[in-house]
Amino acid sequence: DIVMTQSPDSLAVSLGERATINCKASRSVLYSLNNKNYLAWYQQKPGQPPKLLIYWASTRESGVPDRFSGSGSGTDFTLTISSLQAEDVAVYYCQQYHSSPPYTFGQGTKLDIK
Amino acid sequence: QLKLQESGPGLVKPSETLSLTCTVSGDSLTRSPYYWAWIRQPPGKTLEWIGSVYHTGTTYDSPSLKSRVAISIDTSKNQFSLKLTSVSAADTAVYYCARPRTIALAGGPFDSWGQGALVVVSS
Repeated sequence: DIVMTQSPDSLAVSLGERATINCKASRSVLYSLNNKNYLAWYQQKPGQPPKLLIYWASTRESGVPDRFSGSGSGTDFTLTISSLQAEDVAVYYCQQYHSSPPYTFGQGTKLDIK
Repeated sequence: QLKLQESGPGLVKPSETLSLTCTVSGDSLTRSPYYWAWIRQPPGKTLEWIGSVYHTGTTYDSPSLKSRVAISIDTSKNQFSLKLTSVSAADTAVYYCARPRTIALAGGPFDSWGQGALVVVSS
């Protein structure tokens, strides 16, 4: 299984400041034939299903504000919120969907306002 | 607009079988090029992919649950289903049905989700 490890587990950032969440895969999720990283980021608020923010490691889902960005390749990835807004308080998950099952999620990072 | 809705008992006794159905509207499962997935989330914990099914009936299941999981699809009803046998308290979770945004990918990325169904395993 590919183990996804996020850091930190929780994070408090001031409004308007940058928030950075890291995700490390136990082996590469880069598929060499198409040079795509099979890595997604989700946002989940209490009582709601997860919402897809980023896929292919850096492609923003339609309708997602451009303050959200994803970067990284291979085994190391980052989700950045450039200027934290109050509505960004949530738990964030990374997920790999590379090759064969199981398709695994990170343990989650809880983001709060400082 | 695509909509997924989970349904089924909210309480299951230990050792019995958990059964859930996901009803899809806004897309036809017949010959749909997408996989359809079940994902669960125990209270306060992370998400766990359970398995995915294609309109042909082809399934991919999580190896850790494979011996207890059966995912099926009924294109005539535009539904797909999850059965999990021999449940225990560890199977208490919110169960989501979901669909990836990319055709022919079983494991994500998931852009369409149901609201989730809480299933409690307790006697």
